[in-house]
Amino acid sequence: AQSVAQPEDQVNVAEGNPLTVKCTYSVSGNPYLFWYVQYPNRGLQFLLKYITGDNLVKGSYGFEAEFNKSQTSFHLKKPSALVSDSALYFCAVRDLNTGGFKTIFGAGTRLFVKA
Amino acid sequence: NAGVTQTPKFQVLKTGQSMTLQCAQDMNHEYMSWYRQDPGMGLRLIHYSVGAGITDQGEVPNGYNVSRSTTEDFPLRLLSAAPSQTSVYFCASSLDRSGETQYFGPGTRLLVL
Repeated sequence: AQSVAQPEDQVNVAEGNPLTVKCTYSVSGNPYLFWYVQYPNRGLQFLLKYITGDNLVKGSYGFEAEFNKSQTSFHLKKPSALVSDSALYFCAVRDLNTGGFKTIFGAGTRLFVKA
Repeated sequence: NAGVTQTPKFQVLKTGQSMTLQCAQDMNHEYMSWYRQDPGMGLRLIHYSVGAGITDQGEVPNGYNVSRSTTEDFPLRLLSAAPSQTSVYFCASSLDRSGETQYFGPGTRLLVL
């Protein structure tokens, strides 16, 4: 079965420090991987995606993610966290076995950046 | 472009009542979907559509109906509301089924008493 795991419910980091939000996946075949961010009382916003090519993907607001096929991971990173990065982050994978129609989301990781 | 719009923003229902959650997009996207968001469970797919006249079930379709008569609109109907359907509902659209980004609406918060 296809699945996405975000092992941390919450990540705390001080402003200016690097941050990492972890994601691992389990799909058959080649996955399409995504990160979304949700601010309070808002819908999800796209951050970045990996389809093919360079394993390091750069996205919005200075975020990047590294696709690691051997570890089936797609961790989200940022070199220097901002207080405004505090939000709920979702990792997602498109299930190509169903023609890519279905997107499977992780449970989410809440990021707190302390000033 | 308005993007993806959803109405209402908030709704309270009594058990057994029915209602329709509206979703519209003005980006001419073929693919639309409905999700529910519950604490600690992320987003779960309820129904999706790959084009006008074509719909299919997601992970948690029971108790919900959808139709897609136009490219723009994708309403979600609750047939007989139950407390277990208390949730935040998000509509999303994307250009096609492959790697394209999904665009999400602002959500509808539903409380079933």
